[in-house]
Amino acid sequence: SQTIHQWPATLVQPVGSPLSLECTVEGTSNPNLYWYRQAAGRGLQLLFYSVGIGQISSEVPQNLSASRPQDRQFILSSKKLLLSDSGFYLCAWSVSSLPRVKLFFGSGTQLSVL
Amino acid sequence: SQQGEEDPQALSIQEGENATMNCSYKTSINNLQWYRQNSGRGLVHLILIRSNEREKHSGRLRVTLDTSKKSSSLLITASRAADTASYFCATDAGGTASKLTFGTGTRLQVTL
Repeated sequence: SQTIHQWPATLVQPVGSPLSLECTVEGTSNPNLYWYRQAAGRGLQLLFYSVGIGQISSEVPQNLSASRPQDRQFILSSKKLLLSDSGFYLCAWSVSSLPRVKLFFGSGTQLSVL
Repeated sequence: SQQGEEDPQALSIQEGENATMNCSYKTSINNLQWYRQNSGRGLVHLILIRSNEREKHSGRLRVTLDTSKKSSSLLITASRAADTASYFCATDAGGTASKLTFGTGTRLQVTL
C-alpha cells in the first residue's frame, strides 16, 4: 500500500534562517506531488506541484522554493525565513495516470518562525 | 484566493443529529471533493462528486452538487463524537495534475 512520510512534525526557526522540509512517498511510481500551506484556522493554499522529476510549478510567488530530486521525494526550501512563512505545511500526492483524482496528504509540519 | 467558501464556519450538534455543511465556489469545475481534518493532522479524502453528478452517497455521507448555483452540500447523518473535525470542500477546475482549491472549512463539534 502507498504511504506518505513528512517530517519534521514541528519546527521552530528564527527569522532569516534556512528551511528544508522533506516529503517521501512509498508504494507508487511517478506520483504527482504537492506542497500546501494552511494558515491558522484557514483553508489550504497550493504552493507548488510537480508532475515529474525536476518539474516544479509554482502557484504563488513567495519566499519559498521546491525541488524534486527523485521520483518520490519532494522538498520545500527557503534560504531566509520570514515571519509570514509560519503555518502548517502539508505534502500530498496523487496518482498521475488517472485524471482528476483525490489527494493523499501527509501528517503535516507545524512551522513557527520567531 | 479561496475558491470555495464553507458555511457555516462552525457547527455544534449532539450525537445522533445530522450535520449539514455547505460550500460555494466561483468558477467552473471538473469535480468537487470533500476532505476531513482532525486537529493538527493532515487531510483525509471523504468523497468526490463529478460535475455531471448531482448526488452521491458513501456510508453516512451524502453530497449534493448544483453546478447552476455553484454550490455543494455535505450531509453527515447520525453523527458521532468521532466525527468532530474540520471539513473542507475542494474544487478541481481541470488541467495538469489535480490542483485542488480549498475552501476555508467548517469546524464540526459533536457532543455526547
